[in-house]
Amino acid sequence: SQQGEEDPQALSIQEGENATMNCSYKTSINNLQWYRQNSGRGLVHLILIRSNEREKHSGRLRVTLDTSKKSSSLLITASRAADTASYFCATALRSGYIPTFGRGTSLIVHP
Amino acid sequence: GAGVSQTPSNKVTEKGKYVELRCDPISGHTALYWYRQSLGQGPEFLIYFQGTGAADDSGLPNDRFFAVRPEGSVSTLKIQRTERGDSAVYLCASSLSGLSYNEQFFGPGTRLTVL
Repeated sequence: SQQGEEDPQALSIQEGENATMNCSYKTSINNLQWYRQNSGRGLVHLILIRSNEREKHSGRLRVTLDTSKKSSSLLITASRAADTASYFCATALRSGYIPTFGRGTSLIVHP
Repeated sequence: GAGVSQTPSNKVTEKGKYVELRCDPISGHTALYWYRQSLGQGPEFLIYFQGTGAADDSGLPNDRFFAVRPEGSVSTLKIQRTERGDSAVYLCASSLSGLSYNEQFFGPGTRLTVL
């Protein structure tokens, strides 16, 4: 079963705009991770945020976590055509080790 | 250094055949994971190894699926009597340890097509 669900399923923007993707989950988590996948192969880890953290930054990426709402958001600022990919959130339950992935958001950035 | 590698990159087989998919994790990573990804879906967990032992195989869909990691490094996912529904991309990932805050490094996947 998939614990995290990304929203929207698809997002199409122009280069230079910001892209925001959301992830909602159902049960308490130990941490939440965001991954990126190009062309349906090979996921790349972007950011991990722990349950006691509220915000993390990495370059043009900003991730927030609201444990009271059981949701996270991934913001990509000043998007580039090369950011075109699918983005997945993966949640790790407090008692387990295995990240559970959502269905992903497909982002298209038009040059 | 080398990342996670998977072979073959593509495998086409006929219904009912046996297939083996190989994963070479990053050297020194004790944790290894297998996932299956269907079109338009996220990776679905299959099995997790900590060292040589399967710490969690709750994601294996049925007894046609089996995986081994005899020396705590390379892992092989084995599928018997393949069915068309097994067609998917099979992803392998490794991490430094099995702790949930360790980043997973994914291989490029093996695309399995069962005709």
